[in-house]
Amino acid sequence: SQTIHQWPATLVQPVGSPLSLECTVEGTSNPNLYWYRQAAGRGLQLLFYSVGIGQISSEVPQNLSASRPQDRQFILSSKKLLLSDSGFYLCAWARDSGTEAFFGQGTRLTVV
Amino acid sequence: KQEVTQIPAALSVPEGENLVLNCSFTDSAIYNLQWFRQDPGKGLTSLLLIQSSQREQTSGRLNASLDKSSGRSTLYIAASQPGDSATYLCAVSPNAGKSTFGDGTTLTVKP
Repeated sequence: SQTIHQWPATLVQPVGSPLSLECTVEGTSNPNLYWYRQAAGRGLQLLFYSVGIGQISSEVPQNLSASRPQDRQFILSSKKLLLSDSGFYLCAWARDSGTEAFFGQGTRLTVV
Repeated sequence: KQEVTQIPAALSVPEGENLVLNCSFTDSAIYNLQWFRQDPGKGLTSLLLIQSSQREQTSGRLNASLDKSSGRSTLYIAASQPGDSATYLCAVSPNAGKSTFGDGTTLTVKP
């Protein structure tokens, strides 16, 4: 069976510090991978998605970047965090575009 | 641009009631629609996926319907239980590209 792991679960970082959130998927190959951000009481905003190693599409201009160094690894990064980067970040995978999506447990990021 | 709306934003019902959550979308050219459950501070759990060619899907006490022409989906929960309390999100997906999520309906089932 397939599983998705996301860590850390919570993170408190000062403004201006770097960020690295990691997501890995097990039990499948060549998945589509996604990073979402969820503001309090709101739906999900797609930040990045990837259909293969080294292939990243950015949906929203921002202070963040994403990388896919391995087939089942997706990393969300920032060189210098802003207060506005605080939020709940979710990683997801799907076999293909338009197929059922499965989510990780999320990372609560608080920038102070 | 696809827009997804979920009504109501919040719902409180006594245990045992049957209830309906609504999801509407503006662009009927979708590939599938997915319903999720989210517990506070947690990730999303997939409940039901309806392909665009389907009209409904059932899983246990849950039944989701899809009417593409009118841009609507409903999630029916039978005999609600306190454990059903959560936020329910719907997402519509095109054949290729990104999914669009609604803001969710927060359900509270009172014992």
